[in-house]
Amino acid sequence: EIVLAQSPGTLSLSPGERATLSCRASQSVSSTYLAWYQQKPGQAPRLLIYGTSTRATGIPDRFSGSGSGTDFTLTISRLEPEDFAVYYCQQFGTSPRVYTFGQGTKLEIK
Amino acid sequence: EVQLEESGGGLVQPGGSLRLSCIGSGFTFSDYEMNWVRQAPGKGLEWVSFITTSGPTISYADSVRGRFTISRDNARNSLYLQMNSLRAEDTAVYYCAREPHSGVYFDYWGQGALVTVSS
Repeated sequence: EIVLAQSPGTLSLSPGERATLSCRASQSVSSTYLAWYQQKPGQAPRLLIYGTSTRATGIPDRFSGSGSGTDFTLTISRLEPEDFAVYYCQQFGTSPRVYTFGQGTKLEIK
Repeated sequence: EVQLEESGGGLVQPGGSLRLSCIGSGFTFSDYEMNWVRQAPGKGLEWVSFITTSGPTISYADSVRGRFTISRDNARNSLYLQMNSLRAEDTAVYYCAREPHSGVYFDYWGQGALVTVSS
């Protein structure tokens, strides 16, 4: 089973700064099968990015995803106050069918 | 507007059973594969189970296989999770999540149902 390791565990930045969040897989992942979610306290996760780099409906273009193989990145170009949250990457495995999440990166206001 | 609403959570003793429900609205429920995802208090997300549109194909996480059963009733726009032999480590918020036609991720989530397993 593929394990996803997210880094850093916590990222402290100020509004207006650029955020770079990493997701590293223990084995190669198809770029089609890598997604990112945002979760705020007390809320359900929200889909941000799927297929490594495609923004979900309504997601601002300051969010972008990239990567391939075992290394994937979520970038937030200029942080807005509402962006401070926990971010999870997720991949899909076919045999057996399984969905795996990273442990999350908490993006906090510095 | 797509909406998913879970119900059926609560407090149950170890070894007990509970059935969660999720009603979908704002979309053609029968056209979408569905999942359950859970989140223990203060922890990350864990996928639990998957079901195809009409239910012939089902998958479970190793942690729940043999204890949990996923099902759906498309006539009622409903998804279910029957949880038996519950353990303290099953304590979590359980989310139902829709899987889009185009991929293997979760595009809409319910607000979650809290299940607490404790004596």
